[in-house]
Amino acid sequence: QLVQSGAVLKKPGESLQISCKGSGYNFATSWIAWVRQMPGKGLESMALIYPRDSTSTYSPSFQGQVTLSADKSLNTAYLQLISLEASDTGIYYCARRGGSEKEAFDLWGQGTMVTVSS
Amino acid sequence: DIVMTQSPDSLAVSLGERATISCKSSQSLLYTSQNRNYLGWYQQKPGQPPKLLIYWASTRESGVPDRFSGSGSGTDFSLTISSLQAEDVAVYYCQQCYSAPFTFGQGTRLEIK
Repeated sequence: QLVQSGAVLKKPGESLQISCKGSGYNFATSWIAWVRQMPGKGLESMALIYPRDSTSTYSPSFQGQVTLSADKSLNTAYLQLISLEASDTGIYYCARRGGSEKEAFDLWGQGTMVTVSS
Repeated sequence: DIVMTQSPDSLAVSLGERATISCKSSQSLLYTSQNRNYLGWYQQKPGQPPKLLIYWASTRESGVPDRFSGSGSGTDFSLTISSLQAEDVAVYYCQQCYSAPFTFGQGTRLEIK
């Protein structure tokens, strides 16, 4: 399973870090993706990280606004959002990319609600 | 980025009837060397994370009822629910896993008529 950190309330301009802890599989050798869902809207794939060596790839839409990291010894991936704006409000999901045998996001975290408000 | 476009945006179907959702990609999702289409379908119910239903365009995820089926190749795909059940009310998304950042369609809201 993937278990994410809890809901947060932040002010504009602040930064935050969301965690995603995996268990029950080899965490280091499966890509972890981060997906945003703004209120009432669809799914946006933000970025992915390979925990074994922290190789990351970012969507051009989110490049420079988010930073991914991972600690394979803790089976945990992190999403850092910087210089928050009200438009960053939404639910952030982590998901496991299934890999060569199942090229899809086959395991999802419960989501972390982020509210940015002054 | 590859653009994914679903149709319709919303759909109302009677219980027991067939529901079909279409998904088009801006470029082919077929890896010819593997003869596999890198297309997945997800179901999202209110207050829940998305759930994988179909991968490789037509392979059902373990535990998914066989009334759900996926078809298509290249740039045109569809998800069909053969006999709609009340628990199938949800928003459905297609996703390309051909190239990062693995974009999603805008979603199709499925309701009971």
